[in-house]
Amino acid sequence: QSALTQPASVSGSPGQSITISCTGTSSDVGAYHYVSWYQQHPGKAPKLMIYDVSNRPSGVSNRFSGSKSGNTASLTISGLQADDEADYYCSSYRSSSPYVFGTGTKVTVL
Amino acid sequence: EVQLVESGGGLVQPGGSLRLSCAASGFTLSSYWMSWVRQAPGKGLEWVANIKQDGSDKRYVDSVKGRFTISRDNAKNSLYLQMNSLRVEDTAVYYCARDSGKSKLDYWGQGTLVTVSS
Repeated sequence: QSALTQPASVSGSPGQSITISCTGTSSDVGAYHYVSWYQQHPGKAPKLMIYDVSNRPSGVSNRFSGSKSGNTASLTISGLQADDEADYYCSSYRSSSPYVFGTGTKVTVL
Repeated sequence: EVQLVESGGGLVQPGGSLRLSCAASGFTLSSYWMSWVRQAPGKGLEWVANIKQDGSDKRYVDSVKGRFTISRDNAKNSLYLQMNSLRVEDTAVYYCARDSGKSKLDYWGQGTLVTVSS
């Protein structure tokens, strides 16, 4: 049950936009419209930021947006802020194992 | 306010057992699937198991099948994870999460640390 592939790190300056990719297969990301993104600050629990590829839960800033093309999903953070510095994980539904997470991406605000 | 509070973690020897609990409040537990997710020290997230609203359907990641059992008591607003035959590689922070369907874990507890070591 291999994880989805994310870049280990992405960085950007305050105010800039960054994009994190999440590559899966035709059995998970490519097959379903069920990709989620989670933010995790050090020592804290993950927080849902995006679900069903591009939907934001109530209370999540509209600076966070999601999309998908083929087997790759993406999370874009616009207007980067210091508090956005955290680890980000994608997740996809996979029929063989309801949930599979990505390898995780550390976002650094320069 | 939705709250999930895990308990039951600790230090256990390889081959030992541990039972984790998750107390839910602020929502009707019986209306939701629930999941356990773990995170080994310095590593990423790994989904472990989930359970249907009435407990009639349970799913597990391959690495814990036959060793871990997920259960729930809706009357007590509680979720459980019975972990047997523990291995060093089971060492992790274990989170319970409300499972709103198909990769949407919308509320998480603060986690409980399980350390398997001799």
